[in-house]
Amino acid sequence: GQQVMQIPQYQHVQEGEDFTTYCNSSTTLSNIQWYKQRPGGHPVFLIQLVKSGEVKKQKRLTFQFGEAKKNSSLHITATQTTDVGTYFCAGLGGSQGNLIFGKGTKLSVKP
Amino acid sequence: DTAVSQTPKYLVTQMGNDKSIKCEQNLGHDTMYWYKQDSKKFLKIMFSYNNKELIINETVPNRFSPKSPDKAHLNLHINSLELGDSAVYFCASSQYSLETQYFGPGTRLLVL
Repeated sequence: GQQVMQIPQYQHVQEGEDFTTYCNSSTTLSNIQWYKQRPGGHPVFLIQLVKSGEVKKQKRLTFQFGEAKKNSSLHITATQTTDVGTYFCAGLGGSQGNLIFGKGTKLSVKP
Repeated sequence: DTAVSQTPKYLVTQMGNDKSIKCEQNLGHDTMYWYKQDSKKFLKIMFSYNNKELIINETVPNRFSPKSPDKAHLNLHINSLELGDSAVYFCASSQYSLETQYFGPGTRLLVL
């Protein structure tokens, strides 16, 4: 079945350093979504990418969708302690057309 | 107003018991979901309902039974709870099955 793989599983950075998480799918995705889950919280939608090669920015966050629509990345510039949490990508797939979530990248930021 | 709400927030119970978790959304969405998040934070879909009809039923033990009395509510009943059922259960909703999902705060279930 379709898989959505996300790396790295954990990332520890010093405040001010950059951070990137990568998402790869075994099949072409019609869209990809990114979510952030703060410790003890619930996943919160960040953004959706639909077009091949699409790049979107939200302040210090940059999201990219690969040309082949099989991979995506989230890059955070100059991390802050408020960026702490687990970042999930999710692509449409599955046996019944549901969202398949990656296993997430847990980001910790040392002040 | 909370968009997607779940009750209870915490649930501690003994093995073998039956329990229910309730979910309500006031966003007017047509699709609702149940997800299970284990201790490693893996998010796995369990069920999806569209307008009160079951559209996704992943490989989940039949001890888990969802019920949707109307499109704003999706409840989850679990029979004969087992230790491995301990997890956080999230309810979510979206306007359509491909759209942004809005998650509830989660129900932290601990089976002793």
